[in-house]
Amino acid sequence: NAGVTQTPKFRVLKTGQSMTLLCAQDMNHEYMYWYRQDPGMGLRLIHYSVGEGTTAKGEVPDGYNVSRLKKQNFLLGLESAAPSQTSVYFCASSIGRNTEAFFGQGTRLTVV
Amino acid sequence: ELKVEQNPLFLSMQEGKNYTIYCNYSTTSDRLYWYRQDPGKSLESLFVLLSNGAVKQEGRLMASLDTKARLSTLHITAAVHDLSATYFCAVDMWAGNQFYFGTGTSLTVIP
Repeated sequence: NAGVTQTPKFRVLKTGQSMTLLCAQDMNHEYMYWYRQDPGMGLRLIHYSVGEGTTAKGEVPDGYNVSRLKKQNFLLGLESAAPSQTSVYFCASSIGRNTEAFFGQGTRLTVV
Repeated sequence: ELKVEQNPLFLSMQEGKNYTIYCNYSTTSDRLYWYRQDPGKSLESLFVLLSNGAVKQEGRLMASLDTKARLSTLHITAAVHDLSATYFCAVDMWAGNQFYFGTGTSLTVIP
């Protein structure tokens, strides 16, 4: 039972480079989320999706884009990476509103 | 915007002792979640509290929710080393589809 799987687990980027983080869930969840975790700041929501083909902005969306073309996948893109985007990124999914979220293992991204 | 505050941020306690972690939030909500995170690992769901007065217990951990006071507590009874981790509370708004997380409480249980 895979749950929520993130790819890759680690990545180092140079400033200005682009990349895409992939999140896949096999629980048939409607809702998916991308968070970033920084020391002393908890988790902050970047973007989320309430269903296939939908996306919405969270607390800190600037510099990121997302797509949900398939229900099981939620992609997070960085078009032009900046050192401020150095963080640990977590994907999560939930059945729907007001239900607990299940998290992936995280992606540690360093932008130099 | 909903704000979620946890205290303490850091907690060092001896095995066998009891302690409480507090989670305060700023806007009306009746749904609160507690998660545990081990170093370098993902977040694991501990408790889901869905109404005022809800109380849930699992082993040495007990969580409660007071929506009128906008407060949740996570009580640790007779702490053991295995409970060392960071604990997060998270709240979602009535009309929203997103969780707001506290900054976390880093718990270290000393033998």
